[in-house]
Amino acid sequence: RKEVEQDPGPFNVPEGATVAFNCTYSNSASQSFFWYRQDCRKEPKLLMSVYSSGNEDGRFTAQLNRASQYISLLIRDSKLSDSATYLCVVNTPYNYGQNFVFGPGTRLSVLP
Amino acid sequence: DTAVSQTPKYLVTQMGNDKSIKCEQNLGHDTMYWYKQDSKKFLKIMFSYNNKELIINETVPNRFSPKSPDKAHLNLHINSLELGDSAVYFCASSQVSQNTDTQYFGPGTRLTVL
Repeated sequence: RKEVEQDPGPFNVPEGATVAFNCTYSNSASQSFFWYRQDCRKEPKLLMSVYSSGNEDGRFTAQLNRASQYISLLIRDSKLSDSATYLCVVNTPYNYGQNFVFGPGTRLSVLP
Repeated sequence: DTAVSQTPKYLVTQMGNDKSIKCEQNLGHDTMYWYKQDSKKFLKIMFSYNNKELIINETVPNRFSPKSPDKAHLNLHINSLELGDSAVYFCASSQVSQNTDTQYFGPGTRLTVL
């Protein structure tokens, strides 16, 4: 089983739609969780951290279920500019550092 | 001001050559990383350096050697380049602490081996 798995995608949705991405991780020692966004031919950029209580940032809501080792990202009222690949990232402490493991990504295309 | 910078942005070279990619971060972070993103877009960690010590070294061929002259720099040297090394290489940095472990990425170096 891969350390971090995501919905395979791609997701093609109309503007204004609500879309949800799912992610699962295998290492129960993982301590922090993130969603990154990567535009075509660009570097990954942090979209939001994911906290145990769930968190919201505008149209974006992230949820974490430690018991099920499951993370989700909900995007409401999709915009054309939301088109990108969304990467689930899990951080597991490793010796004196950190091990950031990236999922394979889920591509989103928001259509006019 | 660019937080994490890489040079060069594009690198085209012949098989068998030796090349280096440079990375610098001005965020004061104590951990730096190199990632490889291949044609399938899967981002895989290659190396991680914390306070000038290698702490993660995944199954990367020993033709790849990271070099960190100081905390702000982590360069990647590649010997005897192969076709399969063609990919985008991203440098990143983070601060090892409980509340601020976000990674910041450089713009990437697109390596093409002919």
